Amino acid sequence: QVQLQESGPGLVKPSETLSLTCTVSGGSISSYYWNWIRQPAGKGLEWIGRIYTSGSTNYNPSLKSRVTMSVDTSKNQFSLKLNSVTAADTAVYYCARLSGHSGWYPFDYWGQGTLVTVSS
Amino acid sequence: QSVLTQPPSVSGAPGQRVTISCTGSSSNIGAGYDVHWYQQLPGTAPKLLIYGNSNRPSGVPDRFSGSKSGTSASLAITGLQAEDEADYYCQSYDSSLSEGVFGGGTNLTVL
Repeated sequence: QVQLQESGPGLVKPSETLSLTCTVSGGSISSYYWNWIRQPAGKGLEWIGRIYTSGSTNYNPSLKSRVTMSVDTSKNQFSLKLNSVTAADTAVYYCARLSGHSGWYPFDYWGQGTLVTVSS
Repeated sequence: QSVLTQPPSVSGAPGQRVTISCTGSSSNIGAGYDVHWYQQLPGTAPKLLIYGNSNRPSGVPDRFSGSKSGTSASLAITGLQAEDEADYYCQSYDSSLSEGVFGGGTNLTVL
């Protein structure tokens, strides 16, 4: 059974960089697209971006200028960096696996989510 | 403003049947892209409930079913139970955005 676990600071100051890591266990990280999705309190889901195990990325156009994703296959981990954060970036951040090789496939495995608050 | 439109809330009594709609356009659902549904119980991560319009992952009760027609899709829940109280999200792909998109979510209340 594939499991995903997010980790990283729960509090980030405005204008700084949010950094999160997702560790994949119970299966190989290879040959899948790995995603970050966020959810502000009481609101819906927003796709942030995805990375393939080759390092190829696709980002949400609305966040593209601030997002960087990376993957470390030796550690079965992938990461998210979101720079110049504001209070609007406060949300629960989920990592998730795309079940296929295109954006029209569903997300079949999700992490439990981690709350990141942007505040001074 | 979500690309896929869902009603903010629906409700039903135990044992009843409820449906949740997901309305898109000719660049997503109407273009033939599959619709997937997720269930998010309070305080938990979303869970894949229906994929490919009408398919249930292993372990999902057959009380949950999905359908698609034209530019819309629907999730039906029969024999409503208290444990079904959750938020439900639809997801599809939009060719004009070249990315997957979510609906705004529907909160289901079991009366």
